[in-house]
Amino acid sequence: QVQLVQSGPVVRKPGASVKVSCKTSGYTFSSYGITWVRQAPGQGLEWMGWISTYNDKRKFAQNFQDRVTMTTDTPTSTAFMELRSLRSDDTAVYYCARGVAQIYPDYWGQGSLVTVSS
Amino acid sequence: SYELTQPPSVSVSPGQAARITCSGDALPKSYTYWYQQKSGQAPVLVIYEDSNRPSGIPERFSGSSSGTMATLTISGAQVEDDADYYCYSTDSSGNHGGVFGAGTKVTVL
Repeated sequence: QVQLVQSGPVVRKPGASVKVSCKTSGYTFSSYGITWVRQAPGQGLEWMGWISTYNDKRKFAQNFQDRVTMTTDTPTSTAFMELRSLRSDDTAVYYCARGVAQIYPDYWGQGSLVTVSS
Repeated sequence: SYELTQPPSVSVSPGQAARITCSGDALPKSYTYWYQQKSGQAPVLVIYEDSNRPSGIPERFSGSSSGTMATLTISGAQVEDDADYYCYSTDSSGNHGGVFGAGTKVTVL
């Protein structure tokens, strides 16, 4: 079965960076992209971006273009999302999801809580 | 920027139909997708490409789209359908990636 297992909760200080991992299994990694979505406490879902696992093509939401890096490691079927220059309003649960074409996420990871606090 | 508009909340009695709308200017040219999110859990895809149900999703979930509005219908809502529901789409140009609606809290009581 399709599974996406994310790294655990972390706490970072303002100005620091965070890197979240997403290990996939149960499907051919290079046949689907990876989408990243975040959800601040009590808020809705926010699309951050998408990366192809086939040719490394990327697309980012304007809000994150300057601060986010998305990468993949095909031998381990793992995707990574790094967010830099963290602020308190980056406190959120970050989800990875399998991306169908460049269009929509279908299977989701369990989420990784990132807390930004001094 | 591209936006999708949903009502904040919908209430329904068990066994009745719940309808959640999602409006957006690009919907005539882009598919709508619907996600269910229960408290403390990751979202689950319940409708893709306007009206298709993934395997394992109950038949009481259906979707439709006409013009600038898409609708998720839960026919005969169950207590376990109490959740937040988000619509999702892409802008028709493909330049701005994906966007979620703000979400609709469905209360079944």
